[in-house]
Amino acid sequence: DTAVSQTPKYLVTQMGNDKSIKCEQNLGHDTMYWYKQDSKKFLKIMFSYNNKELIINETVPNRFSPKSPDKAHLNLHINSLELGDSAVYFCASMMRGSPHEQYFGPGTRLTVT
Amino acid sequence: AQSVTQLGSHVSVSEGALVLLRCNYSSSVPPYLFWYVQYPNQGLQLLLKYTSAATLVKGINGFEAEFKKSETSFHLTKPSAHMSDAAEYFCAVSDLRAQKLVFGQGTRLTINP
Repeated sequence: DTAVSQTPKYLVTQMGNDKSIKCEQNLGHDTMYWYKQDSKKFLKIMFSYNNKELIINETVPNRFSPKSPDKAHLNLHINSLELGDSAVYFCASMMRGSPHEQYFGPGTRLTVT
Repeated sequence: AQSVTQLGSHVSVSEGALVLLRCNYSSSVPPYLFWYVQYPNQGLQLLLKYTSAATLVKGINGFEAEFKKSETSFHLTKPSAHMSDAAEYFCAVSDLRAQKLVFGQGTRLTINP
């Protein structure tokens, strides 16, 4: 069983479109994250949810909106996609209060044309 | 605030040679430290972690790292490189207050036959 899964794995879309990425974890963790990895492999945290509550919201355009329907799921919706949104987006999860060992999903490669 | 610096964005070694990837951290409190590996087109996988127990930490695939408080370092080593070790390696420190990991910029390891 996959611990942290993401769908889709690849997403190609045009500028101006709206798209969503889904993440699910079956580890029983209570905290989930979204990261953006740019072409230089730099990892930037975007959001974090703990038990469906938003706890981290880094400087991210309002076009990005996370949603956590329950503590096992964290989705990312992106409105009005721009060329600069092209990147690999990773979901991760951990149990709050642990030494912050995070488990990562396989990533979603978003290409905006 | 916690921060991580990885010295060398690209390290190249011969197969069978020693691997040494450098990581220095800054933390106002005793840190939790991690090394993650990212193989091409995959997510991040935890290699090893330091959580204030033994200063020499052994991880998967023959890697180990030593926590040196006096040098604020957590360098990753492997005695003998294998072709399958070619990947991107990330050092990270846990920001307990903000409940997040702070990643270094990554080091790409290339293995020459």
